[in-house]
Amino acid sequence: NAGVTQTPKFQVLKTGQSMTLQCAQDMNHEYMSWYRQDPGMGLRLIHYSVGAGITDQGEVPNGYNVSRSTTEDFPLRLLSAAPSQTSVYFCASSPGTGWSYEQYFGPGTRLTVT
Amino acid sequence: GNSVTQMEGPVTLSEEAFLTINCTYTATGYPSLFWYVQYPGEGLQLLLKATKADDKGSNKGFEATYRKETTSFHLEKGSVQVSDSAVYFCALSATGNQFYFGTGTSLTVIP
Repeated sequence: NAGVTQTPKFQVLKTGQSMTLQCAQDMNHEYMSWYRQDPGMGLRLIHYSVGAGITDQGEVPNGYNVSRSTTEDFPLRLLSAAPSQTSVYFCASSPGTGWSYEQYFGPGTRLTVT
Repeated sequence: GNSVTQMEGPVTLSEEAFLTINCTYTATGYPSLFWYVQYPGEGLQLLLKATKADDKGSNKGFEATYRKETTSFHLEKGSVQVSDSAVYFCALSATGNQFYFGTGTSLTVIP
């Protein structure tokens, strides 16, 4: 199993550009989520999905869109990049939606917006 | 609401020293508690977890006990190694489908 994979590893965007961060998992997990990691702030939840066709907002959803058309894939779209979106982005998946399940993380995408 | 507070770092220890990283939480209901570790340039990996009061999670010599009376889940290791240098995150999962992470504690172990 590859686990949770993310592409690209690094990305530089100019303000106003759009892009999609890719996330895929091969563990047949129901739950997937996107976090951003900023210095001194830990991880903050952007969006999550409890199954194909179902998504919901987390703590910091503004400026980001998601969709979940398959169990495996959960892309994160930046509609119009801003410098405040410079961060490291992590995708995670979990085998269930109960609160005892741990999350499995991808290696991250480091995004810089100039 | 739900939140996690963990001790600020960075923490620097000599090899074979005793490690404690404090973590306290606020939660509605009965959360599960987790410690994750992040090595440089990598994603987070689960280190250990506990799903109910008085449970002790353990892995790779690390331990943490879920204390409901003090709302704490402190991470301990009796003898740290250079390879333990990483950032450690305390997290909780409670009602709903969201995880709440602390801000992370950076640990450096020197030979």
